[in-house]
Amino acid sequence: EAGVAQSPRYKIIEKRQSVAFWCNPISGHATLYWYQQILGQGPKLLIQFQNNGVVDDSQLPKDRFSAERLKGVDSTLKIQPAKLEDSAVYLCASSLRPTGEVNNEQFFGPGTRLTVL
Amino acid sequence: KQEVTQIPAALSVPEGENLVLNCSFTDSAIYNLQWFRQDPGKGLTSLLLIQSSQREQTSGRLNASLDKSSGRSTLYIAASQPGDSATYLCAVYQAGTALIFGKGTTLSVSS
Repeated sequence: EAGVAQSPRYKIIEKRQSVAFWCNPISGHATLYWYQQILGQGPKLLIQFQNNGVVDDSQLPKDRFSAERLKGVDSTLKIQPAKLEDSAVYLCASSLRPTGEVNNEQFFGPGTRLTVL
Repeated sequence: KQEVTQIPAALSVPEGENLVLNCSFTDSAIYNLQWFRQDPGKGLTSLLLIQSSQREQTSGRLNASLDKSSGRSTLYIAASQPGDSATYLCAVYQAGTALIFGKGTTLSVSS
């Protein structure tokens, strides 16, 4: 079974530029998550999708971050404009079931390391 | 608000030692608890997932325990090897929220 795919693996940009990350979840997984992991910290949820609807985006900085999940499969996360403090690893995860349900184990992709100069 | 704490933040041991990593959480109303491994610059690799009805899970040299009532979990690594060097993250599943992570314990095993 193929795992969660993410691209690119690495990205370096200047502040105020824009950047986009792509995620392809495990086939059949209805729930998709984007996490931000700053160096030395645990991952923090940015947004959660159930199929193509947003379940939780309470910690997404909506003035600069946006995300979509068209057709309930692939997802993109965009930052525009980027700030220095956005330097982090962005992790995508998927689960068969929604948060809070039994058998909702999350599977993580390899992540995208973003450096903002 | 759930908080997950991992102690110690860093640990250095010689090869062959048995070791224990600790994870504590403030709200015992969790569904599952999961231990992950993260190599530098890489994503998360799931090690063990313990359901709330279970008290422990084992995989090879790893054993994870869960005591919901006291809000604690431990990850036991037997006969440590240099290849075990990584950051180990603990995370809890709760209703209505996504995974809540600790900051991790960075393990270094010297040969």
